[in-house]
Amino acid sequence: DGGITQSPKYLFRKEGQNVTLSCEQNLNHDAMYWYRQDPGQGLRLIYYSQIVNDFQKGDIAEGYSVSREKKESFPLTVTSAQKNPTAFYLCASRFRGQGADGYTFGSGTRLTVV
Amino acid sequence: DQQVKQNSPSLSVQEGRISILNCDYTNSMFDYFLWYKKYPAEGPTFLISISSIKDKNEDGRFTVFLNKSAKHLSLHIVPSQPGDSAVYFCAAANRDDKIIFGKGTRLHILP
Repeated sequence: DGGITQSPKYLFRKEGQNVTLSCEQNLNHDAMYWYRQDPGQGLRLIYYSQIVNDFQKGDIAEGYSVSREKKESFPLTVTSAQKNPTAFYLCASRFRGQGADGYTFGSGTRLTVV
Repeated sequence: DQQVKQNSPSLSVQEGRISILNCDYTNSMFDYFLWYKKYPAEGPTFLISISSIKDKNEDGRFTVFLNKSAKHLSLHIVPSQPGDSAVYFCAAANRDDKIIFGKGTRLHILP
């Protein structure tokens, strides 16, 4: 079964620590995306990658970093520079050039800073 | 500056009646609009979309209407069912196909 896997589902981090959220897809999609959801804020784009070894900042990239060494994987690191990291993080992917209805979303990771 | 606005944070509708969710946008360059449905602790799932060259798209109980002159779209669900209770996100896409989401409307279907 093809899909996007985000792990872990719940993650706790101490203040000042970096943490990496995993996103893996076996859909052979070219493009991958990271969104953040806060209550009453909707989904905001953090980073996206159209092809391997290339990625661009989204609307709220500060305090985050990504890598795209493999087509299947797009991990997101939440660094200590992110002032308010507690949120629900969603990864998505699609075929590059496919219409906007081609996005597939993962089930999310809820990050809590303690 | 919010480009996609959902001004109703929540909406309650009696089961069997019509649910109407509204969305406004500011960027006239958007050429594709979408509705996503999201349950708690899950990712959004695509529901229905409409191209900017159309004014209506229907899929079963779901119909999306687009009024380009008013920069407004709406999602109609009829008849509303208990499983429709969820958060609905309106979204818009421009030519690079990046999606911009609204803040969402929580729909409660009442028994």
